[in-house]
Amino acid sequence: KAGVTQTPRYLIKTRGQQVTLSCSPISGHRSVSWYQQTPGQGLQFLFEYFSETQRNKGNFPGRFSGRQFSNSRSEMNVSTLELGDSALYLCASSSNMNTEAFFGQGTRLTVV
Amino acid sequence: GDSVTQMEGPVTLSEEACLTINCTYTATGYPSLFWYVQYPGEGLQLLLKATKADDKGSNKGFEATYRKETTSFHLEKGSVQVSDSAVYFCALSDHRGSQGNLIFGKGTKLSVKP
Repeated sequence: KAGVTQTPRYLIKTRGQQVTLSCSPISGHRSVSWYQQTPGQGLQFLFEYFSETQRNKGNFPGRFSGRQFSNSRSEMNVSTLELGDSALYLCASSSNMNTEAFFGQGTRLTVV
Repeated sequence: GDSVTQMEGPVTLSEEACLTINCTYTATGYPSLFWYVQYPGEGLQLLLKATKADDKGSNKGFEATYRKETTSFHLEKGSVQVSDSAVYFCALSDHRGSQGNLIFGKGTKLSVKP
């Protein structure tokens, strides 16, 4: 069974641009969550989706947004990129909201 | 708000040494507690979990007990191996066991030398 797939694995963007990251959950999983991992702040929760509805949202500015499609695939978008947005963005999926979350390998975003 | 504090690393041990990584938490309700492990170049993997007070989670020789009185969930292993070298994260969820909204500690990097 395929794991959580995040694309692309690496990305370099310029300050002020926008970026879209993609996450394909494990087949049959309906819950997808996003996290930002940085050396300074560690792992921070961004948002959680379940059956196309945002269930929870972390404390991030409105430049960070996400969505989930009917096939459970999810995207997150960051607009007006800042240098501080450079991070590893991790996606996790689970079959429902109370079962084990499986993480992808992440997308490494570098903003220059 | 809820938070998790774990011991700063890095921790360097010799093979077969005992491991303890301290983790304490602050939460208003009755959270579920987790330990995740991140091997180099990989995503996080759930190592063990406990959903209520006095529960003991265990996996691959690692153990952690949910101590409500001390708000702690320390990770222990009696004899570490080189393959245990990784970063370990303590985490909590305040949404009735949901793992979709986890609050993580900063992580502790463990290096095990042969």
